[in-house]
Amino acid sequence: QSVVTQPPSVSGAPGQRVTISCTRSSSNLGAVYDIHWYQQLPGTAPKLLIYANNNRPSGVPDRFSASKSGTSASLAITGLQAEDEAVYYCQSYDKGLNEWVFGAGTKVTV
Amino acid sequence: EVQLVQSGAEVKKPGESLTISCKYSAYNIPNYWIAWVRQTPARGLESMGVIYPDDSKTRYSPSLQGQATITADKATKNVHLHWGSLKASDSAMYYCAILRMVRGGMDSYFEYWGQGTLVSVSS
Repeated sequence: QSVVTQPPSVSGAPGQRVTISCTRSSSNLGAVYDIHWYQQLPGTAPKLLIYANNNRPSGVPDRFSASKSGTSASLAITGLQAEDEAVYYCQSYDKGLNEWVFGAGTKVTV
Repeated sequence: EVQLVQSGAEVKKPGESLTISCKYSAYNIPNYWIAWVRQTPARGLESMGVIYPDDSKTRYSPSLQGQATITADKATKNVHLHWGSLKASDSAMYYCAILRMVRGGMDSYFEYWGQGTLVSVSS
């Protein structure tokens, strides 16, 4: 079972707002680690989208935002565009496994 | 400017050895580590391990330790991932990435990524 759980897919019409959840497993309750988000466009490498829960690297449009509360986090895409069709991954750290872990990814369909 | 350029795709047979490479340039990024991340359809993205090129200190993910070896050549700015004896289960896309080390690793993230190296292992 994945340490971090995401829905397999979400969809929305152009211009709409979609959200993707990322939930840490119960074995890590109480542990407070940052959540980071990546976007992987078809046939390309993942790209950092959000770091440290809610920070956008330079060049990432402000249509992308994220938040974290306790052991759950979410990524929001507002004003959905066709170019946002991609798989989005959350990533965190698992103290028990002593490694960085990724969610299984959420495919966004526009 | 940050660049990570990986070596090309490989097709190998089980039992063969393989080394893939990642040439990095990361000016103005202090204290960066280089990571290898594996991606397969079945298991998704998995961090394999990281290396600090300045002193070649490595940190392997426990779940993947022993499967491959990470080395660095600071002079040529290359990081390598080496298998002594490949298995079919090593077939994957491999990415190198710059890991921004935060809070001893616990809040770290993969800041920049190479383009990926596809490794196919089949008899």
